[in-house]
Amino acid sequence: QVHLQESGPGLVKPSETLSLTCLVSGYSISADYYWGWIRQPPGKGLEWIGSISHSGSTYFNPSLRSRVTISVDTSKNQFSLNLSSVTAADTAVYYCARVPYSGSYPSHFDYWGQGTLVTVSS
Amino acid sequence: EIVLTQSPATLSLSPGERATLSCRASQSVGVYLAWYQQKPGHQAPRLLIYDASNRATGVPARFSGSGSGTDFTLTISSLEPEDFAVYYCQQRNNWPPRLTFGGGTKVEIK
Repeated sequence: QVHLQESGPGLVKPSETLSLTCLVSGYSISADYYWGWIRQPPGKGLEWIGSISHSGSTYFNPSLRSRVTISVDTSKNQFSLNLSSVTAADTAVYYCARVPYSGSYPSHFDYWGQGTLVTVSS
Repeated sequence: EIVLTQSPATLSLSPGERATLSCRASQSVGVYLAWYQQKPGHQAPRLLIYDASNRATGVPARFSGSGSGTDFTLTISSLEPEDFAVYYCQQRNNWPPRLTFGGGTKVEIK
């Protein structure tokens, strides 16, 4: 069974960088699939942040592209999110997920982590 | 940017009733449309349907998806108590790849 678990600070100061890691078990992230991040502000809907393929190809939400980095560490079977210059608007539950692809591009999200709340506040 | 509009915003039904949820895209997404269920307390969303009509592993047969192009429907044939939740649709356009979600439909107990 594929399992994903997010980890990282629950509180980040404005203007700093939010950093999260997603540890994957039950599947080797270097084997196949894209791997991605989604967030959900309190009381609001879902927003895709970006995805990275098992071979390192990345795609990002244009509204966040300038501030987002996603990387993979195959030796630890995990992938990471960095979001720079955060503001209160970046306060959200952040989810990591496995992303099946279609026609070489990320398609949907089939396995999700439980999510982690990140609050941006001084 | 492709915008997904879900309707209604809230659906009030009783257990055993049929639920019909709509998702409309601002331009064609082919069959690249998925549906998710999210239960209260910010539980992680659960994939129900992908590629418009394919049930994900372990999803009960009472859930079905249909549609193509710009109009899609999620049908729950007979609501069980555990089905009362928020449902999101999600699309992927071809190029550049961008994944977006609809605003959600809340299915609540009448």
